[in-house]
Amino acid sequence: AQSVTQLGSHVSVSEGALVLLRCNYSSSVPPYLFWYVQYPNQGLQLLLKYTSAATLVKGINGFEAEFKKSETSFHLTKPSAHMSDAAEYFCAVSVNTGGFKTIFGAGTRLFVKA
Amino acid sequence: GAGVSQSPSNKVTEKGKDVELRCDPISGHTALYWYRQSLGQGLEFLIYFQGNSAPDKSGLPSDRFSAERTGGSVSTLTIQRTQQEDSAVYLCASSPGQYGQETQYFGPGTRLLVL
Repeated sequence: AQSVTQLGSHVSVSEGALVLLRCNYSSSVPPYLFWYVQYPNQGLQLLLKYTSAATLVKGINGFEAEFKKSETSFHLTKPSAHMSDAAEYFCAVSVNTGGFKTIFGAGTRLFVKA
Repeated sequence: GAGVSQSPSNKVTEKGKDVELRCDPISGHTALYWYRQSLGQGLEFLIYFQGNSAPDKSGLPSDRFSAERTGGSVSTLTIQRTQQEDSAVYLCASSPGQYGQETQYFGPGTRLLVL
């Protein structure tokens, strides 16, 4: 069965520092992978997704993620954190199990310090 | 255009009462999903509707939970005989089709508190 593990329920970085949010997945078939973001008091929205094209995926607000099959990872990065990046980030995997179901990780809350 | 809407935005109920949560998906979206978001638990898949196919109910935690989708559009999630552990934010999402790479568009959620 597919699953998603996000390492670190909370991550704190200084403004301008590198953001790295870790995500590992488990799937017996090629997955589709997503990062969603939930800003305070807002609904979830798509940040980026991997759909078996380029392994390095670029998303909104300067975020990107790299699909590494050998490591079963899809870590999210941003070179320079901004205060507005403070939010909760969810990694998700979708696989065909006779119909597509999306499994979300537990989420990582990103804090950005001035 | 209009996004996914959910009502009510907040619901407080007493233990043992039934509640109904409503989701209006984006017009034309054939897939609709319900999730539960508990503090520190991430998003828990509940149920998935795709067009006229039988829904995937594999995530419903107990037989107190049920959902229907009328006319391929509006969906209602019903929780019978609510328990305190049902307190959570219930999120609805829709997507244009059934394919795994589809982006899901989320509503603002219904915050349920069972006293």
